[in-house]
Amino acid sequence: DTAVSQTPKYLVTQMGNDKSIKCEQNLGHDTMYWYKQDSKKFLKIMFSYNNKELIINETVPNRFSPKSPDKAHLNLHINSLELGDSAVYFCASSRGESYNSPLHFGNGTRLTVT
Amino acid sequence: LAKITQPISMDSYEGQEVNITCSHNNIATNDYITWYQQFPSQGPRFIIQGYKTKVTNEVASLFIPADRKSSTLSLPRVSLSDTAVYYCLVGGRSGNTPLVFGKGTRLSVIA
Repeated sequence: DTAVSQTPKYLVTQMGNDKSIKCEQNLGHDTMYWYKQDSKKFLKIMFSYNNKELIINETVPNRFSPKSPDKAHLNLHINSLELGDSAVYFCASSRGESYNSPLHFGNGTRLTVT
Repeated sequence: LAKITQPISMDSYEGQEVNITCSHNNIATNDYITWYQQFPSQGPRFIIQGYKTKVTNEVASLFIPADRKSSTLSLPRVSLSDTAVYYCLVGGRSGNTPLVFGKGTRLSVIA
């Protein structure tokens, strides 16, 4: 069983569209995250949720809106997609709110905006 | 936020020990140091974590000097399958402290 699963794996869309990426974890973790990895492989945290509550919101455009219906799911909705949004988006989870808990990552969603 | 510096790339022959050093000069008192490994088309995977001195597990060792301004990931006797990008991550106990990844070191293991 995949511990952290994201769908879709690939997403190709045009500028201006709205799209969503889904993430689910079956590890029983309390904290979930979204990371963005650009073409140079830099990993940057975007959001962090603990028990469905937002605890970190890094400087990302408000076109990006995370939603956590329950602590096992953290979805990412992106409005009005732009070329610069093209990247690989990783969902991750960890036990508890303490950041010394190892992160468990999904395998990423490669978003291409044309 | 901790500023993290690590080499962009390293090459090694199979069977050698590889040491990758990460610099984190302004690490905070509560920050832990964690290393992750990433293969192409996969998410990063946890390797090892430490706070100070030395930590060893079945995969690697992590050396952290007393001032904690740097850390060294040591991979014993690497094989071709260890070819990957290795990330140093510095982060704290507090839920409000963003986790900061280094830019990654691309390790290429050559036969």
